[in-house]
Amino acid sequence: NAGVTQTPKFRILKIGQSMTLQCAQDMNHNYMYWYRQDPGMGLKLIYYSVGAGITDKGEVPNGYNVSRSTTEDFPLRLELAAPSQTSVYFCASLMSGSTEAFFGQGTRLTVV
Amino acid sequence: KQEVTQIPAALSVPEGENLVLNCSFTDSAIYNLQWFRQDPGKGLTSLLLIQSSQREQTSGRLNASLDKSSGRSTLYIAASQPGDSATYLCAVQSDYKLSFGAGTTVTVRA
Repeated sequence: NAGVTQTPKFRILKIGQSMTLQCAQDMNHNYMYWYRQDPGMGLKLIYYSVGAGITDKGEVPNGYNVSRSTTEDFPLRLELAAPSQTSVYFCASLMSGSTEAFFGQGTRLTVV
Repeated sequence: KQEVTQIPAALSVPEGENLVLNCSFTDSAIYNLQWFRQDPGKGLTSLLLIQSSQREQTSGRLNASLDKSSGRSTLYIAASQPGDSATYLCAVQSDYKLSFGAGTTVTVRA
């Protein structure tokens, strides 16, 4: 049982480049989330999804896009990377009905 | 909008002392509250999950209480050890969202 898997673990991007952060879960969870964590700070919600085909914005969605075509996958797309997007990105999932949230190991992104 | 606050932001104690970490939230209509541990440069490790109908949850040296009506949770770590040094985060699940506090960074001195 792999849980929540994020790829890549590390990435350096140049300003203006684009990339997709991958997130997959094998627990059949309907809720999935993307967070970013800046140094010394808590986690801020970027986007979330309550099921396949349904996504919504969190606190800090600007500069990002998501899709949820399957229950398992929830990729996060960065278009036109900016230095302000340098952060650690975490994906999480849980099953609706008050259950434990599971997190991936994170993707450390640097934009130079 | 759910706001989650953790006090203190940092804590340093000698080994063997008990730790008390606080988490408060503004909207009492929650499904559950979860405590996590984060080591430097690492991901989040779940410690305890308290359902909204529960008052406390225990795992080994860890005990977490929940007072939903006052919007507070407390994580107690008994007989602290240097290995307990980490950042502890609380997360509140309400509606579809999981809202986090900024964390308490704990240092246990040998």
